[in-house]
Amino acid sequence: DSGVTQTPKHLITATGQRVTLRCSPRSGDLSVYWYQQSLDQGLQFLIQYYNGEERAKGNILERFSAQQFPDLHSELNLSSLELGDSALYFCASSDRDREGTEAFFGQGTRLTVV
Amino acid sequence: AQTVTQSQPEMSVQEAETVTLSCTYDTSESDYYLFWYKQPPSRQMILVIRQEAYKQQNATENRFSVNFQKAAKSFSLKISDSQLGDAAMYFCAYRSAIGNQFYFGTGTSLTVIP
Repeated sequence: DSGVTQTPKHLITATGQRVTLRCSPRSGDLSVYWYQQSLDQGLQFLIQYYNGEERAKGNILERFSAQQFPDLHSELNLSSLELGDSALYFCASSDRDREGTEAFFGQGTRLTVV
Repeated sequence: AQTVTQSQPEMSVQEAETVTLSCTYDTSESDYYLFWYKQPPSRQMILVIRQEAYKQQNATENRFSVNFQKAAKSFSLKISDSQLGDAAMYFCAYRSAIGNQFYFGTGTSLTVIP
């Protein structure tokens, strides 16, 4: 158990809809990362938050947005969903004691857009 | 931005044998961290091993060890006495010591042959 919790584990929704993915980082971790992994693909970095502030941004679509709350949990909002958004979305956390440590991954949310 | 290259999309190894997965990276920084993550069919991302760039000694974790060549910017993973449970996708990752995003390679799919 990595200590990172993602909900829901599975999500099926229709095109054009909006969904929210939730991530609770390891206790005390200040950084939260979001990644997208399509079938048989690598990890695509979406966005990083550090202690509530956006720290780095990857190839995140304008239809996607994220935030980190004061209690350090994070949400990834996906809107106007398209079939191509079907993927496994990972949340990872790090930086509890110091910056530069490894990332601990949640189990992922498997999103299917139909 | 830093880049991480895994030039072997697929590798196979006989059970109980040794296999080495390659990873190279490009950076101008002197202080950073390198990681190997394993993603089994369950698709959970699991940290295998970590190497701090300032440490000359290669990291080891049981049957897993690395060959870290800082000047060559190379970070290979050696798996000894391969087991069926080692079959997975392996990702190499780089992170600056300053604490920004992780850069992942495209992965190497390892098959273990009984």
